[in-house]
Amino acid sequence: EAGVAQSPRYKIIEKRQSVAFWCNPISGHATLYWYQQILGQGPKLLIQFQNNGVVDDSQLPKDRFSAERLKGVDSTLKIQPAKLEDSAVYLCASSLFQVTDTQYFGPGTRLTVL
Amino acid sequence: QKEVEQDPGPLSVPEGAIVSLNCTYSNSAFQYFMWYRQYSRKGPELLMYTYSSGNKEDGRFTAQVDKSSKYISLFIRDSQPSDSATYLCAMRGGGNNRKLIWGLGTSLAVNP
Repeated sequence: EAGVAQSPRYKIIEKRQSVAFWCNPISGHATLYWYQQILGQGPKLLIQFQNNGVVDDSQLPKDRFSAERLKGVDSTLKIQPAKLEDSAVYLCASSLFQVTDTQYFGPGTRLTVL
Repeated sequence: QKEVEQDPGPLSVPEGAIVSLNCTYSNSAFQYFMWYRQYSRKGPELLMYTYSSGNKEDGRFTAQVDKSSKYISLFIRDSQPSDSATYLCAMRGGGNNRKLIWGLGTSLAVNP
């Protein structure tokens, strides 16, 4: 079974530029999560999708971050414009939405904002 | 006060040692408790999953949950250099709220 795919793996941009990350979840997983992980911290949930719909985006900085999940499969996360404090690893995870609901993570995209 | 507290370490032990990792939490509604392992430049991977109180064992790993004390532990027996990673605790309540609350992670180095 293929895991969660993310691209790109690394991205370096200057502040005020825009950037987009892509995630392909495990086939059949209805729930998709985007996390931000700053060095030395646990993952912080940015947004959770259930199929096409948003379940939780309470910690998404909506003035600069946006995310979509078209057709309930792939998802993109965009930052526009980027700030220095956005430097982090952006993790995508997916789950089946069962009782145990194990989240499977992709390798992440490491973003550096200069 | 954070909902989940975890000592970030770092923790350094010799090969073969027994490792104890811990988290405390404040929300009595948490019912599902997880330990994830994260290698450098990789995403977290689920290591242990426990529902409610009690112990769960899987090979060299044992997870314990004490809901009365709001305290969870992960024990690693006969630790190996390949266990060197960051260990993150995560937990959530029941029902349809699947939002995980994470600890900071504890960095572990097992020295040969």
